[in-house]
Amino acid sequence: KAGVTQTPRYLIKTRGQQVTLSCSPISGHRSVSWYQQTPGQGLQFLFEYFSETQRNKGNFPGRFSGRQFSNSRSEMNVSTLELGDSALYLCASSLVGAGGSNTGELFFGEGSRLTVL
Amino acid sequence: KNQVEQSPQSLIILEGKNCTLQCNYTVSPFSNLRWYKQDTGRGPVSLTIMTFSENTKSNGRYTATLDADTKQSSLHITASQLSDSASYICVVRQGGYNKLIFGAGTRLAVHP
Repeated sequence: KAGVTQTPRYLIKTRGQQVTLSCSPISGHRSVSWYQQTPGQGLQFLFEYFSETQRNKGNFPGRFSGRQFSNSRSEMNVSTLELGDSALYLCASSLVGAGGSNTGELFFGEGSRLTVL
Repeated sequence: KNQVEQSPQSLIILEGKNCTLQCNYTVSPFSNLRWYKQDTGRGPVSLTIMTFSENTKSNGRYTATLDADTKQSSLHITASQLSDSASYICVVRQGGYNKLIFGAGTRLAVHP
């Protein structure tokens, strides 16, 4: 069973540009969540999608957005990049139980490492 | 405020030694607690899950404990190996809100 796939793995952008990251969840997983990880900050929750709808959102500015497609694949976009956006962006998928509750394990991808110059 | 605090921030031990990582939480209501291991440059991988009624659970050389009364969990690593060098992240799920609260992690280095 294929794991969570994130693309691209590495990318370099300059301030003011925008970036789109992609995440393909494990087959059958309908919940996809995104996280930002910087040294010393731990994992910071960005947002979670289920059935193409954003269910939860973290405390990030509106420059960070995402979406989920009907096949559960997800993308996140960061516009007007700032130096502080340099980080590892992790995507995770999980099974969703009856009623849409999410009690299961998160399966993470390898991440997309973004460097903003 | 719902928080998860992990200690120590970092730890260095010699190969073959044991160690214990701590996780204290103030999340309410509590649903479950997971420990994840994150190797450098990789995504986290779940080691174990603890629910309210469970006190101890083992996964090979990893043993997790949970004290729901004091809201504390620990991860004990026995006979450490070089491959145990990683960050260990404690994640608590808040019941009813479908939210996860992440600890900042403990960075473990196992030296030969």
